[in-house]
Amino acid sequence: GAVVSQHPSWVICKSGTSVKIECRSLDFQATTMFWYRQFPKQSLMLMATSNEGSKATYEQGVEKDKFLINHASLTLSTLTVTSAHPEDSSFYICSARTSGRAWSYEQYFGPGTRLTVT
Amino acid sequence: AQKVTQAQTEISVVEKEDVTLDCVYETRDTTYYLFWYKQPPSGELVFLIRRNSFDEQNEISGRYSWNFQKSTSSFNFTITASQVVDSAVYFCALSEVGNTPLVFGKGTRLSVIA
Repeated sequence: GAVVSQHPSWVICKSGTSVKIECRSLDFQATTMFWYRQFPKQSLMLMATSNEGSKATYEQGVEKDKFLINHASLTLSTLTVTSAHPEDSSFYICSARTSGRAWSYEQYFGPGTRLTVT
Repeated sequence: AQKVTQAQTEISVVEKEDVTLDCVYETRDTTYYLFWYKQPPSGELVFLIRRNSFDEQNEISGRYSWNFQKSTSSFNFTITASQVVDSAVYFCALSEVGNTPLVFGKGTRLSVIA
């Protein structure tokens, strides 16, 4: 159980186009989803936190108009990279948190999406 | 503010050697969770362990063992008799209580040479 999928697993797009990445919790309801970005040979950096039915909270330095996050249901969150540029090329990873007791914490990671902007 | 430090950027060992990956954390909370993840070249994170702050018992799982010491704010990871398949980047991470995301260390790249 507790599987998170991402689609697509990799994508190549031209500069100036938009790309949508989907993150789905397959067998549980995710009240919260997190989006991370990982540049080559670097660590995972949190981009934003999204709660179902509300606006995402972005980390400092992340442009909310460029990285549009929608968490429309308890099993799906999407990240749209608008007007992508080569510097947006990165590995994007989502994670989903199950709802539960305040003191417990379970977070499951998707397999990641590798974005290359040419 | 929470912070995770993995001082070892890269480690290279010969197969069958034991290797310890260090992790030091900072948090103001008394309740928190610590994690280790493995990231092979494919990129997908592989969950290895989660430990809550009230459980300081060391844990062993096959060739893997973890040493949690609150007194030094460390959560070190040891691989015994390393194998080539252990080659990957290993991340230590911290989460405080509540709906908070994981904060990751910079990772340690382990290369096991045959």
